[in-house]
Amino acid sequence: SQQGEEDPQALSIQEGENATMNCSYKTSINNLQWYRQNSGRGLVHLILIRSNEREKHSGRLRVTLDTSKKSSSLLITASRAADTASYFCATASTSGTYKYIFGTGTRLKVLA
Amino acid sequence: DAGVIQSPRHEVTEMGQEVTLRCKPISGHNSLFWYRQTMMRGLELLIYFNNNVPIDDSGMPEDRFSAKMPNASFSTLKIQPSEPRDSAVYFCASNRAGGADTQYFGPGTRLTVL
Repeated sequence: SQQGEEDPQALSIQEGENATMNCSYKTSINNLQWYRQNSGRGLVHLILIRSNEREKHSGRLRVTLDTSKKSSSLLITASRAADTASYFCATASTSGTYKYIFGTGTRLKVLA
Repeated sequence: DAGVIQSPRHEVTEMGQEVTLRCKPISGHNSLFWYRQTMMRGLELLIYFNNNVPIDDSGMPEDRFSAKMPNASFSTLKIQPSEPRDSAVYFCASNRAGGADTQYFGPGTRLTVL
């Protein structure tokens, strides 16, 4: 089963609004990453946050990580129609195998 | 620099036929991953190679699936015989250091088994 579970499964907002997506995971991690997937395309890396970091920013993206709650959130500020996509979190465990487990994804729709 | 290259981009085949999907990772990357994506199961890791050696194939669904990486610049995922339930998008990804590094995904191969 997938370790990461995103919440909500689907989100629809107006252009200009902020979008927040959450990810929960089950085991200790080395790092957590967020990816975007446009319809019919491969996944594109957005941001990586390491287990010893609590918050990270990249342009309009803000990611937080709470290892005590085993959860992360992705905030997209001032959303645009071009942000319409599915967003996935991916966790790399500390078990040494260095493989990623992807969550189920949040489908974001930004209405113009 | 070229990204991860996958071929073919689309494959339509009949049940029972052999299917071979190909991947060329980014030059210099020593880890390669094969994933399968379906609406029902999401994105599943099938197999992970490091330095051309299969490290974890626990995600390979059954013996009909096999993967090879004969050298650092080429990998194949083979399904023999194919079944309709294998219909999915198959992605290849690569990176420098396994889970400690960003993964770069190819465009995927959309497989339809009739």
